[in-house]
Amino acid sequence: SQTIHQWPATLVQPVGSPLSLECTVEGTSNPNLYWYRQAAGRGLQLLFYSVGIGQISSEVPQNLSASRPQDRQFILSSKKLLLSDSGFYLCAWSVRGAKNIQYFGAGTRLSVL
Amino acid sequence: GQNIDQPTEMTATEGAIVQINCTYQTSGFNGLFWYQQHAGEAPTFLSYNVLDGLEEKGRFSSFLSRSKGYSYLLLKELQMKDSASYLCAVRDWGQTGGGNKLTFGTGTQLKVEL
Repeated sequence: SQTIHQWPATLVQPVGSPLSLECTVEGTSNPNLYWYRQAAGRGLQLLFYSVGIGQISSEVPQNLSASRPQDRQFILSSKKLLLSDSGFYLCAWSVRGAKNIQYFGAGTRLSVL
Repeated sequence: GQNIDQPTEMTATEGAIVQINCTYQTSGFNGLFWYQQHAGEAPTFLSYNVLDGLEEKGRFSSFLSRSKGYSYLLLKELQMKDSASYLCAVRDWGQTGGGNKLTFGTGTQLKVEL
């Protein structure tokens, strides 16, 4: 069966520090991969998605970037965090097909102080 | 772009039935999804509709009317553990990369009371 791992679960970082969040998927090949952010009391905002190695689509201009160095690995990064980067970051995967249902990792709660 | 509307909050009694509505606007509808999200946790997939009608899965059912841009999630025999946020999401061929991504509503916070 497929599983998705996302770490760390919680992170507290100072303003201006770098960020690296990692997500890996097991039990499937060539998945679509996604990064979302959920601000407190707000909906899920799609940040990036990827349909293959090295293929990244950015949904909103921001202080973040994403990379997919391996088929089942998706990384969210920032060179210098802003206070507004605080939030709940969720990685998700899907299998391409008629349904293309997205399944989420456990999430990383990031606090930028 | 998409416009997805859901009520912000609902309250219901344990053992009762509750219906959570979702309306949407798309230029190329290609599927509607419902997710459950407990506080502080990740969303979990509940249901998928792409054709008109009712999809039943245990205590949960989801209905879709494409002509009306309308869906609802029906929860029967409510339990305290059903207290959560319920997210409606749509896939839209009409947007760039639309076959691969979802647009989420802001969610309906359901509170189940004794």
